[in-house]
Amino acid sequence: SAVISQKPSRDICQRGTSLTIQCQVDSQVTMMFWYRQQPGQSLTLIATANQGSEATYESGFVIDKFPISRPNLTFSTLTVSNMSPEDSSIYLCSVESWGAEAFFGQGTRLTVV
Amino acid sequence: GENVGLHLPTLSVQEGDNSIINCAYSNSASDYFIWYKQESGKGPQFIIDIRSNMDKRQGQRVTVLLNKTVKHLSLQIAATQPGDSAVYFCAERSGNDYKLSFGAGTTVTVRA
Repeated sequence: SAVISQKPSRDICQRGTSLTIQCQVDSQVTMMFWYRQQPGQSLTLIATANQGSEATYESGFVIDKFPISRPNLTFSTLTVSNMSPEDSSIYLCSVESWGAEAFFGQGTRLTVV
Repeated sequence: GENVGLHLPTLSVQEGDNSIINCAYSNSASDYFIWYKQESGKGPQFIIDIRSNMDKRQGQRVTVLLNKTVKHLSLQIAATQPGDSAVYFCAERSGNDYKLSFGAGTTVTVRA
């Protein structure tokens, strides 16, 4: 199984600012994903982080709001831009290799005030 | 996309009893299913998975059952312990799609 380090684990941010979340994996993985989990809810996929190219976003999520980088096979960042209180959620990094289960980081608990 | 959903949002179980958590899915193309456990303040943790060519798979104290005829998935936990208290999610994926779709989640509370 992959070991995923996600930073920061939590943050309280002012509205209108941006936060960049980092995801580091201890081994090269095929796929990296970013999820949002709103309070008391299930996981919603934001985007697939593609190594060396633009991320693939799900319906309802756009690059201007959630820019994503993936410079190599072990690292990705998600930025939550121009934050509002509605962005208060847990943001989760996930990794998987083809045909195998997905592993998750511990998540970043974001509160926007 | 099609939904993966759970029948019950909460489950209260006596310590030592067996727990059964259910999940319904609607995508007939789904061929890979996973159960995750999420404890408070943590990310989802892989419990067990099953592929569509199987109808049962066992792990340590857990069993996953898959009924493709009625598109139903269940997780059985034997001798439930206080440490089993968590939210449980089912997730599914189809062979031609690398993305997981998650169900709504069932909160399991173990009574001492």
